[in-house]
Amino acid sequence: QEKVQQSPESLIVPEGAMVSLNCSFSDSASQSIWWYQQHPGKGPKALISIFSNGNKKEGRLTVYLNRASLHVSLHIKDSQPSDSAVYLCAVNTGANTGKLTFGHGTILRVHP
Amino acid sequence: EAAVTQSPRNKVTVTGGNVTLSCRQTNSHNYMYWYRQDTGHGLRLIHYSYGAGNLQIGDVPDGYKATRTTQEDFFLLLELASPSQTSLYFCASSDAWGGSSYEQYFGPGTRLTVL
Repeated sequence: QEKVQQSPESLIVPEGAMVSLNCSFSDSASQSIWWYQQHPGKGPKALISIFSNGNKKEGRLTVYLNRASLHVSLHIKDSQPSDSAVYLCAVNTGANTGKLTFGHGTILRVHP
Repeated sequence: EAAVTQSPRNKVTVTGGNVTLSCRQTNSHNYMYWYRQDTGHGLRLIHYSYGAGNLQIGDVPDGYKATRTTQEDFFLLLELASPSQTSLYFCASSDAWGGSSYEQYFGPGTRLTVL
């Protein structure tokens, strides 16, 4: 069964800082890797996904995937207090099922 | 944007009780999923379905049944609830084909307490 590990468990940064979140997974045959954001009392919401080795940029978000080292990272540029949330890494493990295995999450707090 | 609704939002029951959690999605997605979220365990998949009448076993299925009656509606059934099933339950849907394949859209969650 796929294992997804995230680090750090929590992070506090000042507004405007660059945030870096890490995720490692166990199955090299994994399909897409997703990052979700979850605010308190809400369901998770998809932020960005990546399939191929390399990086992908969308607005203030950049994600890097290295399949050889089974590692993916999410970087948030110019962090805002509204970015304070739990960030979940999810690995698509089931071909044609959309089945995701989630990590435990990183709690991010951005203080003004 | 995809819409997934869940009911009830909060539920309290007693050990041994029957509980049904409901989920509806209005985006004609093929796949629907039930998760539970617990501190220290993250989100774990209970059951999922790729269409009306279909059911697939997830990673933590023990003690749960599920039924997909239509493309829109997916139900989670706890027939003999136990305190270990106290949790926050999320439903999600996705379309496994198309430009945004596999993005899952989550509902707002149901908080279940089993006394």
